[in-house]
Amino acid sequence: NAGVTQTPKFQVLKTGQSMTLQCAQDMNHEYMSWYRQDPGMGLRLIHYSVGAGITDQGEVPNGYNVSRSTTEDFPLRLLSAAPSQTSVYFCASSREGRLAGLKTQYFGPGTRLLVL
Amino acid sequence: EDQVTQSPEALRLQEGESSSLNCSYTVSGLRGLFWYRQDPGKGPEFLFTLYSAGEEKEKERLKATLTKKESFLHITAPKPEDSATYLCAVQSLISSGSARQLTFGSGTQLTVLP
Repeated sequence: NAGVTQTPKFQVLKTGQSMTLQCAQDMNHEYMSWYRQDPGMGLRLIHYSVGAGITDQGEVPNGYNVSRSTTEDFPLRLLSAAPSQTSVYFCASSREGRLAGLKTQYFGPGTRLLVL
Repeated sequence: EDQVTQSPEALRLQEGESSSLNCSYTVSGLRGLFWYRQDPGKGPEFLFTLYSAGEEKEKERLKATLTKKESFLHITAPKPEDSATYLCAVQSLISSGSARQLTFGSGTQLTVLP
């Protein structure tokens, strides 16, 4: 198993540009999520999904969109990049469902994004 | 609102010098407390989950414990390869009802010198 994969590893954008961060998992996990990590602030949840076709907002959703058309993929879209979105983005997945609660989350290697 | 505070922010140890990292939390009913290890340039790697006060879990030189207000990650006779940032996260009963949200602390950066 490849686990959780993310592409690209690094990206530079200009203010106002849009892009999609890709995330895929091959563990048949129901739950997937996107976090951003900024120095001194820990990981903050952007959006999450409990299954194909179901998404919801986390702590810091503004400026980001997600969709979940398949179990495997959970892309994160930046609609109009801003310097405040410069961060490291992590995708994670878990096999626990809605009632069981989260147990082990598996994280991808991250995407470093720089917005100029 | 769930809150997680980790201390110290950074810790430097000599190889073999045992110590503990602290994770203090405030939640509306704890569903689970998680410890992760994060190496530079990589994603967090799961270490432990603790569910109730008094619970302990061990893995090699690491031992995690849990009380009603805090968790400790004890490192016994650390080696340079234990150098990493250790993250703590909590899930509360409220968050687990309709969402799968973890609240993370900002981490403790551990450096073990040879």
